[in-house]
Parts: sequence; C-alpha cells; structure tokens
Amino acid sequence: NAGVTQTPKFQVLKTGQSMTLQCAQDMNHNSMYWYRQDPGMGLRLIYYSASEGTTDKGEVPNGYNVSRLNKREFSLRLESAAPSQTSVYFCASSDESSYNSPLHFGNGTRLTVT
Amino acid sequence: QKEVEQNSGPLSVPEGAIASLNCTYSDRGSQSFFWYRQYSGKSPELIMFIYSNGDKEDGRFTAQLNKASQYVSLLIRDSQPSDSATYLCAVIRYGNNRLAFGKGNQVVVIP
Repeated sequence: NAGVTQTPKFQVLKTGQSMTLQCAQDMNHNSMYWYRQDPGMGLRLIYYSASEGTTDKGEVPNGYNVSRLNKREFSLRLESAAPSQTSVYFCASSDESSYNSPLHFGNGTRLTVT
Repeated sequence: QKEVEQNSGPLSVPEGAIASLNCTYSDRGSQSFFWYRQYSGKSPELIMFIYSNGDKEDGRFTAQLNKASQYVSLLIRDSQPSDSATYLCAVIRYGNNRLAFGKGNQVVVIP
C-alpha cells in the first residue's frame, strides 16, 4: 500500500519555466490537497479538491493551477515559476467521511526556482 | 490574528522529562484538533487528534482540549531522543474541508 505518492522529489527550475507536480493516492480518499511549507511559515494550503471534478482555492493560490484528473490523481502546475515559489510542496489526502479524518501526506517535492 | 498560533520557540527537554506544547486557535467553530509530528526533511505524520473537551491519552502522548479558552495542548511524557521533531497543531471546522496549521514547535530531547 503506497499511500500518497508525489513526483518528482526534487526539481530545479529557472524563472519563467513551467512544471507540473504529480500526486496520486491509493486509499480511495475523496479529498486531496496541495500545501507548501516554508521556513517559519508552517504549512499553507494552496488548493484542495473535495471530490473528483471539484477544486477550490486555499490560502495561497496565486501562481498555481490544479487538476483533479480522477479520484486518485491531483496535480499542481506552475505556469511561470518565480523565485518566491521556492518551497517544499506536500500533497495530502483524507477520507472526508468523518471530520476526524487525518491527512495522509506524500513525501514532498523540494522545488528551487533560480 | 492567526487562525492557529504556536508561539513558543524551540523547546529543549532532558531525556525522561515532560515536554509541553501549546496551541491556540481563533475560530470558535473549530471542532477537530490534530497534532502532527514532522522529522527534519520528512513529511508530517499524525500522532493525536481530539474533538471533545478534556484529555485524551495515547501511550506517552496526552492531548488536552479546552474549547472555552480555545487552546489545545500536547504533553509528551518520558521524552525520548526520538521525540526530537517539530510538532504541528492543526484545526478544522466541520464541513470546511480545510485544515489550518500552526507554524510548529521544535522539540529537542537532550540525552
């Protein structure tokens, strides 16, 4: 049981380049999330998807787009990367059948934009 | 006011002592409260959740919730070097679909 799988683990981009971070979960969870984590800032929600076909903005959505491809997959796209997007990105999923459902996190993607 | 605040700086505790972490939240509608542990370079992992006022114990961990005062705390008894990590407090309002995290508190257990 893989849980939440993120790719890639590391990425270096130049300013203006684009890329897509991939995330897949095999726990049959309805909800999926993208967070970024910066030193001293904690985890901040970028986008989330409560179910297949729906997405909503979180706390820091600017500069990002997402796609909930199916129940398993939720991708995050940077159309034109900026140095301010240098961060560690975490994908997570949860079973929203109960509000006590914990988040299950992927291993993270460490992104550097130069 | 931040939605979830963890204001304490790094906490150093000797091995075997009790580590105490506090978290306050601003939304009185918050209904579930979580503590995650994150080792350096790793992803967060859930260690406790609580939704009723009072104490909840799980092994060496105790979560305490006081909704009237809007705070939740985590006690780590008999602290071990393996407890050295950052502890993240998170809260959610039922039906919100959005877990709000505090910035985290670093705990260092000194052998």
